[in-house]
Formats: sequence, C-alpha cells, structure tokens
Amino acid sequence: TQLLEQSPQFLSIQEGENLTVYCNSSSVFSSLQWYRQEPGEGPVLLVTVVTGGEVKKLKRLTFQFGDARKDSSLHITAAQPGDTGLYLCAGWMDSSYKLIFGSGTRLLVRP
Amino acid sequence: KAGVTQTPRYLIKTRGQQVTLSCSPISGHRSVSWYQQTPGQGLQFLFEYFSETQRNKGNFPGRFSGRQFSNSRSEMNVSTLELGDSALYLCASSLEPGASYEQYFGPGTRLTVT
Repeated sequence: TQLLEQSPQFLSIQEGENLTVYCNSSSVFSSLQWYRQEPGEGPVLLVTVVTGGEVKKLKRLTFQFGDARKDSSLHITAAQPGDTGLYLCAGWMDSSYKLIFGSGTRLLVRP
Repeated sequence: KAGVTQTPRYLIKTRGQQVTLSCSPISGHRSVSWYQQTPGQGLQFLFEYFSETQRNKGNFPGRFSGRQFSNSRSEMNVSTLELGDSALYLCASSLEPGASYEQYFGPGTRLTVT
C-alpha cells in the first residue's frame, strides 16, 4: 500500500492543453517535493513546499500544498512536448525521518 | 560542479550472485541515500548514510547493505541476488540529512538479474 497516492497514473494530452496531477495521503508531511524523471535519468527536483496552503509557481507549473499538509497538486498550463516525463511527489516524514515517494504520474504531451 | 555519479550504469547478473554499486556524491555533500525503483513498487527508500554511519533504513531484507567512506562516497551491496532485485538503483546526495536539505539524484544503475 502506497503512503502517497498519485493520480492519474497515466496522462496523454495534446500540446497546449492544461492538466492537474494529484498527490494524496492520510499522513501529514513536514514538506512535500515534486520531481520530474526522464528515461535513463534520475529524478530532478522541481519544487519544495513546506507550509500548508502554500502555492508556488514555476513558469507554467503551479504547485499547491494542502492546508492540512496531507496532499498536493501540480498544475501545468499549456503543456508542451518538453513536459513529457514521469512526475513524482515525495513527502518528508518527520516520524520516520525519510522521504516517501508517490507512485508517479507518467505524462505524454503529443505535438 | 559535477553532479552525482553512479557506476556502473548497467549491470547484468545471475540469480545467486552478489553485486556492488558505487555512488559519488556532489562535492561537499555528506549525506547519501539509496533508493530502488521498479515499475510495480515505484521508488522505495533503501538506506541513508551520513558521516560513514547508517542513519536510517527502509524495509528491505538483510541481503541489501551499504557503507560510506570518509570521502562521502558510498557503495551498496546486494548478496544472493533474486529475480525481483532487477531494478533501477538510484543514489541521492545532500549537504546534510533531513528535510531542510535538497536531494540530488544520480542517473542510476540499471540492474538486471537473470
């Protein structure tokens, strides 16, 4: 059973469309991170959110941390083929002192 | 500044053998974490080392072990390989352990057990 559930698992959209990826848990995290991983590479950190309700924007990407620090979302506006990849959320658990990763969302943006 | 490097990048082993994977962290980073990534289980935490000491361990059998050297380089070892050990093994380094420090991942070692 995954501590962090991501949805959807797969997403195939046309260039220019908007999308949202969700990361949910019943546990509270002290911080939550989003990574993007491309084939043959390790995950690359996109953003870290630490405060409940926090919203961070990175160009066309908007990240939100839930008020209760149990969930997060990633919204991409006007997706481009370069956004294609595996998106992973990861929460830091103070109780276990480790980073817990979500199941991942595989995004394909078609030209 | 060079990133995290992992060697080898690809490895094919036979069931029952053992394997050692190596990780060189970013210069100045003293914490190294190891993760296993599989299509079914996703990214799972193996262990973390800081100052040559294992600080934390995930839920993996004792066949999985690791160590860290005085220069912060780390190795992980898997003994008596099983087919289910086939995975991408990722190493991540950070300045210090803990939530306040960002982890930077290497490209991984793709292990195939036949």
